[in-house]
Amino acid sequence: GAVVSQHPSRVICKSGTSVKIECRSLDFQATTMFWYRQFPKKSLMLMATSNEGSKATYEQGVEKDKFLINHASLTLSTLTVTSAHPEDSSFYICSARDSPGTGTSFHEQFFGPGTRLTVL
Amino acid sequence: SQKIEQNSEALNIQEGKTATLTCNYTNYSPAYLQWYRQDPGRGPVFLLLIRENEKEKRKERLKVTFDTTLKQSLFHITASQPADSATYLCALTTGTASKLTFGTGTRLQVTL
Repeated sequence: GAVVSQHPSRVICKSGTSVKIECRSLDFQATTMFWYRQFPKKSLMLMATSNEGSKATYEQGVEKDKFLINHASLTLSTLTVTSAHPEDSSFYICSARDSPGTGTSFHEQFFGPGTRLTVL
Repeated sequence: SQKIEQNSEALNIQEGKTATLTCNYTNYSPAYLQWYRQDPGRGPVFLLLIRENEKEKRKERLKVTFDTTLKQSLFHITASQPADSATYLCALTTGTASKLTFGTGTRLQVTL
């Protein structure tokens, strides 16, 4: 259980184009999903927190107009990198939290396999 | 400023030995501390969570300790195997927001 998928796993695009990445919780409902970015040999940096049916909350320094997040259903969140540039090349990872219960399970996050974005 | 530091970027140990990884934090009051495993080109996989009022947690060959006075967590893998080779990340959660802040990670290499 608790499987999160991402699509695509790899994408190469030209500078100036937009890229959409999908994150799906396959066997549970995720009221909250998180989007992270990871540069080579660096740790994961939280970009934004996405709650189903409401606007995403972005971390300081993350441009919300550049990284558009939509969490339209309990099993799907999308991240769109608009007008991508080479410096946006990175490993993007989503995670999902199970239903908003109580206890320690509330804080476990289940991560997708990641999407490698390369902007030429 | 807030920091989460893991003791070394890389750790090499021999198969069968116990691997001990360290996570130190400053200027945080974490409610929960978690450990994740990440393989190259993959997303992290949850391993263990320990609460601020717990001293120790075990799961099979894994053991985590949490010392809020020292502001440190130790992660042990006993009877290590080559398959344990991966990057291990500690992550903190403060309060109920459950937003995770990750450490820099330690790359563990277990050799025969």
